[in-house]
Amino acid sequence: NAGVTQTPKFRILKIGQSMTLQCTQDMNHNYMYWYRQDPGMGLKLIYYSVGAGITDKGEVPNGYNVSRSTTEDFPLRLELAAPSQTSVYFCASSSGLSHVTQYFGPGTRLTVL
Amino acid sequence: ILNVEQSPQSLHVQEGDSTNFTCSFPSSNFYALHWYRWETAKSPEALFVMTLNGDEKKKGQISATLNTKEGYSYLYIKGSQPEDSATYLCAFHGSGNTGKLIFGQGTTLQVKP
Repeated sequence: NAGVTQTPKFRILKIGQSMTLQCTQDMNHNYMYWYRQDPGMGLKLIYYSVGAGITDKGEVPNGYNVSRSTTEDFPLRLELAAPSQTSVYFCASSSGLSHVTQYFGPGTRLTVL
Repeated sequence: ILNVEQSPQSLHVQEGDSTNFTCSFPSSNFYALHWYRWETAKSPEALFVMTLNGDEKKKGQISATLNTKEGYSYLYIKGSQPEDSATYLCAFHGSGNTGKLIFGQGTTLQVKP
């Protein structure tokens, strides 16, 4: 059982470039989340989804877009990369039932130069 | 804006020491409090989900308590081992927020052999 997988693991982008961070889960979870982790700042929620076709903004959505066409996949899109988006990105999923934990992917380390 | 604070930010102890740290969260609209353990270069893993005032949870030498009326939770590690070295995150789950978690900035524990 793979759980939550993310690709790529590492990426370096130039300012203004675009890219998509992939996230897939095989646990049939309805709820999926994207976080970014900056040093000393904990995890900040970028976007989340409560099911296929439904997405909503988190705390720090600016500069990002998401889509949820299937239950399994929740890609995160950066359209015009900026140095402020240098971070480690984590995808997570949960079944969405009461008090259930979130399961995290291994993370993508992104550097924008 | 909901604020979740953890203290101390970092902690260095000797092998065999017992230690504890604090998570403070809003006392209103409480639904659940999550604790995660996050080792370097890995993804966060769930330790506890706590829901009721006065809850106590235990996993091996790690335990946690919850006070929802005053908005704090303590995490205790008895007889720390080098393998307990990690960042410990707490996350507040408020009522009616579709599973979103608000994370603290974490307490980083270093246990010296």
